[in-house]
Amino acid sequence: EVQLVQSGGEVKKPGESLRISCKGSGYSFTNYWIGWVRQMPGKGLEWMGGIFPGDSDTRYRPSFQGQVTISVDKSISTASLQWSSLKASDTAVYYCARGRSGRVYDPLDIWGQGTVVTVSS
Amino acid sequence: QSVLTQPPSASGTPGQRVTISCSGSTSNIGSKSVNWYQQLPGTAPKVLIYYDTQRPSGVPDRFSASKFGTSASLAISGLQSEDEADYYCATWDDSLNGWVFGGGTKLTVL
Repeated sequence: EVQLVQSGGEVKKPGESLRISCKGSGYSFTNYWIGWVRQMPGKGLEWMGGIFPGDSDTRYRPSFQGQVTISVDKSISTASLQWSSLKASDTAVYYCARGRSGRVYDPLDIWGQGTVVTVSS
Repeated sequence: QSVLTQPPSASGTPGQRVTISCSGSTSNIGSKSVNWYQQLPGTAPKVLIYYDTQRPSGVPDRFSASKFGTSASLAISGLQSEDEADYYCATWDDSLNGWVFGGGTKLTVL
């Protein structure tokens, strides 16, 4: 079964760092784009960026460039999203999603279960 | 303000047919395929339609979609109570060089 399993929910304080992960299984991890999508409380979906595990080609939505880092560890079929200094406005559910093929604009067809990140003092 | 425009809400009674629109531009819907997602409360989005009109296996044929120019629409026929969810359109935007989503449409089954 093709699936993406994300790391568990996190509660952090402003200024702290955080890395959340997304592990792929049931398919050739290096051949498909992984995207990260944010959903703030009560709001819609927003693409943050993505990475192609095969060559680590990484794209960011301009508003997220410099705010987060997307990375991948091919050896463990895991993509990561990290913050160096969290803000309260980073409170959201974060989803990883797999592209249907090797093109960055192919549909995001398999989604992880989501990771809830809460940032509060 | 989302790049793709959807109505914030839609409603229908069981058995009815409802449609949800998605309006974009030449840099997104006009040049790339549209995908539709269903998000049930408290769950991850699930793809209903990809490549404008194709249904993944397991998606009932009550769900269909179309595209014309820079607009797309999702149709749900034979509405059921379990269709009550948020629906999002999405596509790649060549100008932004990234994925864009509609603001979402909350479907209520009366």
